[in-house]
Amino acid sequence: SQTIHQWPATLVQPVGSPLSLECTVEGTSNPNLYWYRQAAGRGLQLLFYSVGIGQISSEVPQNLSASRPQDRQFILSSKKLLLSDSGFYLCAWAKTDNMRGYTFGSGTRLTVV
Amino acid sequence: SQQGEEDPQALSIQEGENATMNCSYKTSINNLQWYRQNSGRGLVHLILIRSNEREKHSGRLRVTLDTSKKSSSLLITASRAADTASYFCATRDSSYKLIFGSGTRLLVRP
Repeated sequence: SQTIHQWPATLVQPVGSPLSLECTVEGTSNPNLYWYRQAAGRGLQLLFYSVGIGQISSEVPQNLSASRPQDRQFILSSKKLLLSDSGFYLCAWAKTDNMRGYTFGSGTRLTVV
Repeated sequence: SQQGEEDPQALSIQEGENATMNCSYKTSINNLQWYRQNSGRGLVHLILIRSNEREKHSGRLRVTLDTSKKSSSLLITASRAADTASYFCATRDSSYKLIFGSGTRLLVRP
């Protein structure tokens, strides 16, 4: 069966520090991968998605970046965090036909202080 | 950007009652999906309805889709306290992107 792992679960980082969140998928190949951010009590905002290794599409210009160094690995990064980067970050994967639902990781709650 | 908007934003019902949530969207879609999120957790996929379908059932869930009105509804019948969560609709067009609405917070009182 397919599983998705996302870590860490919580993170408190000072303003200006770097960020690296990792997401890996097991049990499938060539998945579509997604990073979303959720502000408190709000919906999900699509940040990045990837349909293949090295292929990254950015939805929202900001000081975040994403990379896909391996087929089933998706990394969200920042060189210098801002207070506004605080939120709940969710990784998800889907089959390329996208005719089934997305599977989400358990999320990372990031607080920038 | 957010494609879908759920209505109501919050809903409080008694256990055993039915809960209806509505979703409106703006552009043409390939399919529409409903997700559930317990507080502080990841999202769980509930049901997917394709653009050429009008109604779909899964257990106590019933989803309708009206593409002419660009709207969908999620009905949860015989609600339980464990159904307390936030519910989101999400739409997928011909691209690889799934765009979420703002969600409905459902509280089922025991």
